[in-house]
Amino acid sequence: QSVLTQPPSASGTPGQRVTILCSGSTSNIGSNTVNWYQQLPGTAPKLLIYSNNQRPSGVPARFSGSNSDTSASLAISGLQSEDEADYYCASWDDRLNGLVFGGGTKLTVL
Amino acid sequence: QVQLVESGGGVVQPGRSLRLSCTTSGFTFGSYGMNWVRQAPGKGLEWVAVLWFDGSNKNYADSVQGRFTISRDNSKKKVYLEMNRLRVEDTAVYYCVRGYDIVDYWGQGTLVTVSS
Repeated sequence: QSVLTQPPSASGTPGQRVTILCSGSTSNIGSNTVNWYQQLPGTAPKLLIYSNNQRPSGVPARFSGSNSDTSASLAISGLQSEDEADYYCASWDDRLNGLVFGGGTKLTVL
Repeated sequence: QVQLVESGGGVVQPGRSLRLSCTTSGFTFGSYGMNWVRQAPGKGLEWVAVLWFDGSNKNYADSVQGRFTISRDNSKKKVYLEMNRLRVEDTAVYYCVRGYDIVDYWGQGTLVTVSS
C-alpha cells in the first residue's frame, strides 16, 4: 500500500490529453513539492517534473504538472506512442522523514 | 554529466548479508543528500534509506530499519548500503538516487535476489 495514491492505469489515443492524479496528505504533498517520474520498460525512472510544475531541460512542454492542497496531477498533451510508460509521483514526507511514492500509473497509448 | 553507478548486487541466501556501492561523478558529491530506492520485480518504487549530505542524519523505511545501514565516503564520492539479515521480500532492483525533496538523478540499478 503506497503512501501516495495513483490510478493503476490510464489510456488515450495519439494526440489526446491525459491527466494522472496523485493524492497524498498534509505531511507530504500538503507540505512539500511533488516530483513526477517516467519509467520506460527495463530502464531506471527519469525525472519528468520537479517542484510541482518545473520541467528539467530536455523534457517536452507537452508534459506539465500542477498541485492543490494534498493532491497533484500530471498532464500529457498531444499524446504520442513513445509516452507509453509507467508514471510515478513522489514527495518528501515530514512524518516519515523520507521519500514517499505513488503506486505508479501504467499509461497505454491506444 | 552526472553519473551514478551501482554495484554489488547478486544472488544471496535468506539471512545472509550484501553490500551495495554507488560510485558517483559529475557533481559536487559532498553537497547532496543521497537515497537508496528499490523496485521489486513487477512492482512500484519503494524508498529504502536517506543520508544527509554531510552524513549527520540518516533515516530508513520501516521495512529495513535495524537490518540495513546507509553510509557514504565523501572523499571517494561513494554511497553504500549494507544489507544484513536479508529476506526473500528484499528481492529488488536497488537504485542509488540523488537529492532530498528533488530527487533528480538515478543510477541504472543493481539487482539483488534473495533466494535459497
